[in-house]
Amino acid sequence: SQQGEEDPQALSIQEGENATMNCSYKTSINNLQWYRQNSGRGLVHLILIRSNEREKHSGRLRVTLDTSKKSSSLLITASRAADTASYFCATDAEGGSEKLVFGKGTKLTVNP
Amino acid sequence: DVKVTQSSRYLVKRTGEKVFLECVQDMDHENMFWYRQDPGLGLRLIYFSYDVKMKEKGDIPEGYSVSREKKERFSLILESASTNQTSMYLCASSLLLPGSRTYEQYFGPGTRLTVT
Repeated sequence: SQQGEEDPQALSIQEGENATMNCSYKTSINNLQWYRQNSGRGLVHLILIRSNEREKHSGRLRVTLDTSKKSSSLLITASRAADTASYFCATDAEGGSEKLVFGKGTKLTVNP
Repeated sequence: DVKVTQSSRYLVKRTGEKVFLECVQDMDHENMFWYRQDPGLGLRLIYFSYDVKMKEKGDIPEGYSVSREKKERFSLILESASTNQTSMYLCASSLLLPGSRTYEQYFGPGTRLTVT
């Protein structure tokens, strides 16, 4: 099944810096979503970008999508220690599907 | 706010025991999911239900079964627990976003199951 792959697997930065995470996927999609998971907890939806969109913003989050390269990036600006978490991209099949396929995640550590 | 609850945060069971993991959502969502999450493997879909009494196998259904007798409740059953089923289990429900074929998933807090 298609799968998003996040890169890097782990990222450690200082508070105030920007964090960029990338996601690549294999087949055509309807949309791509980013989720966040705090340690030992469930996932929380952050942002969704549709296949006909190229960029989307939500607060300190900026997501881009390049369907020609089958890739997306998540940028967190002015990071805070509270942003420490794992971040996952998730894709659904072109045309839409109830099922999402999640990548393995990027573990972000923001040092105070 | 959507709330998805799972019956236990931590569970320890013995090999061979029958294990029930319960998930309840309060937003009348049609779709519910069970995933397991293991280090280095990400989230893998075990089973999916799109309506009461309806189910569909995910990527790793072996050793598991599910039950959905009521819309709000989706149970994962380990018929005979084995040590390789030690994992974090996550339940989710999903909402169809208006005017689209796009679904957003809402997750419970997870159950960390240890089988000894």
